Amino acid sequence: DSGVTQTPKHLITATGQRVTLRCSPRSGDLSVYWYQQSLDQGLQFLIQYYNGEERAKGNILERFSAQQFPDLHSELNLSSLELGDSALYFCASSPTGQGRETQYFGPGTRLLVL
Amino acid sequence: AQTVTQSQPEMSVQEAETVTLSCTYDTSESDYYLFWYKQPPSRQMILVIRQEAYKQQNATENRFSVNFQKAAKSFSLKISDSQLGDAAMYFCAYRSSTNTGTASKLTFGTGTRLQVTL
Repeated sequence: DSGVTQTPKHLITATGQRVTLRCSPRSGDLSVYWYQQSLDQGLQFLIQYYNGEERAKGNILERFSAQQFPDLHSELNLSSLELGDSALYFCASSPTGQGRETQYFGPGTRLLVL
Repeated sequence: AQTVTQSQPEMSVQEAETVTLSCTYDTSESDYYLFWYKQPPSRQMILVIRQEAYKQQNATENRFSVNFQKAAKSFSLKISDSQLGDAAMYFCAYRSSTNTGTASKLTFGTGTRLQVTL
C-alpha cells in the first residue's frame, strides 16, 4: 500500500458526460501528479500540483482540468467525454515535487466511456 | 525532450532463474533519476528500484538489481531467483533533477511484460 488513495476505482459513463476523479496523497506529501495510461498512448503525464498551485502541465486536454484543495487532496475533472478518454488514471504524490523524490502511485481509477 | 525505450515487449523466465530487462534513454542532462516500476495484474504501479545518475554504484533491492551504464544511456533491471509473483508489466522511467516546468514529471517507456513459468 503506497498510502495514496484514489476514488472511485471504476467509473463507467457515456460520451459527452463529465466525471470527477479524486486523489488523496500520502500523509505529508504536498505535490500531486496525474497520469493517464491508455493502450495507444502508454503512460503520460497530465498535470502536477504543489501545495494548491499548478506547477507543471503536460499532455492534458482542454476538456480536462484539475485542482488541489487546502487539505491537499486533488481532483481531476474530465468533461465532454469521448470514447478515447477511456483509460486508467493514476495519481501519484511526493513530498515537495523535487526531481530527486520518488513518486508513489495510487491504485488508479479505471474509466470506461461508452 | 527525454525519451525512454524498452525494446522487449515480452520476456519469459523460469521460476528460480535470472532475467534481465533492458531500457535505454535519451537525454542531454547530466543529472537525473531512473526508476523501474512494476505493474501486476491489479494495475497498481509499484516502485521496484531507483538509481541516481550521479552515483556510480548500481542500486540493489533484494533480488532486484540494475546495471546502469551512464555513457551508453542504458539502465537494465536484473531479477534473480524469479518468483511467480514477479509476473507483471515492468516500466522503466526517467526523471530530471531540475524542478522547473514539466521536468518533474516521469517519462515512461512502453513496458516489458514478464511471464514467469514453472
